[in-house]
Amino acid sequence: QVQLQESGPGLVKPSQTLSLTCSVIGGSLSSGYYHWNWIRQRPGKGLEWIGNIYYTGTTNYNPSLKSRITFSVDTSKTQFSLRLSSVTAADTAVYYCARDTVTTPRALDSWGQGTLVTVSS
Amino acid sequence: EIVLTQSPGTLSLSPGERATLFCRASQTVSSSYLAWFQQTPGQAPRLLIHGASNRATGIPDRFSGSGSGTDFTLTISRLETEDFAVYYCQHCGTSPWTFGQGTTVEFK
Repeated sequence: QVQLQESGPGLVKPSQTLSLTCSVIGGSLSSGYYHWNWIRQRPGKGLEWIGNIYYTGTTNYNPSLKSRITFSVDTSKTQFSLRLSSVTAADTAVYYCARDTVTTPRALDSWGQGTLVTVSS
Repeated sequence: EIVLTQSPGTLSLSPGERATLFCRASQTVSSSYLAWFQQTPGQAPRLLIHGASNRATGIPDRFSGSGSGTDFTLTISRLETEDFAVYYCQHCGTSPWTFGQGTTVEFK
């Protein structure tokens, strides 16, 4: 059973870059069967899909955030990462990493427990 | 962007009752790309249904999904105490993927 675990700073200053890493435990990033996703949830709000990355480095970003986000993948470390630049208070959220299946029916079938990132000076 | 609108916003029910949750899409969504999630406070969402009607691994059979095109339904046949939570529909077809705003199933 694969497990996903987010890690990174819990506090980021406005205008700086938020960086998070998701470790994939008990599974391989390069199996080719999955995309690796980031989703966030602002306090008391719904869920927002940020985007995903394939093990080859191919990305699919949410257009609303595309200008500020960068994903990367390190298959040797079974980790993938998110960088979100020029953050504001509106980027305060719980950030989740999740896996989705490449083949249909597609679904986000495994999630990390989430990590709260607060943007504040 | 496909907008998913869930109704009702809140459902007040008692254990043992049937819950029916709706998700309407602003454009046609392939059934292969429609999922339902359950979220309890402080927890990550949990996949319940994928492909509109397929229960995910380990999900009890009191949960069922149906629908096609723009209208999808999640039914919980007999509510258990642990089912009182927030439920989200989500599509993973054309980018960007989006979630509905959620339906809260609360104790009556």
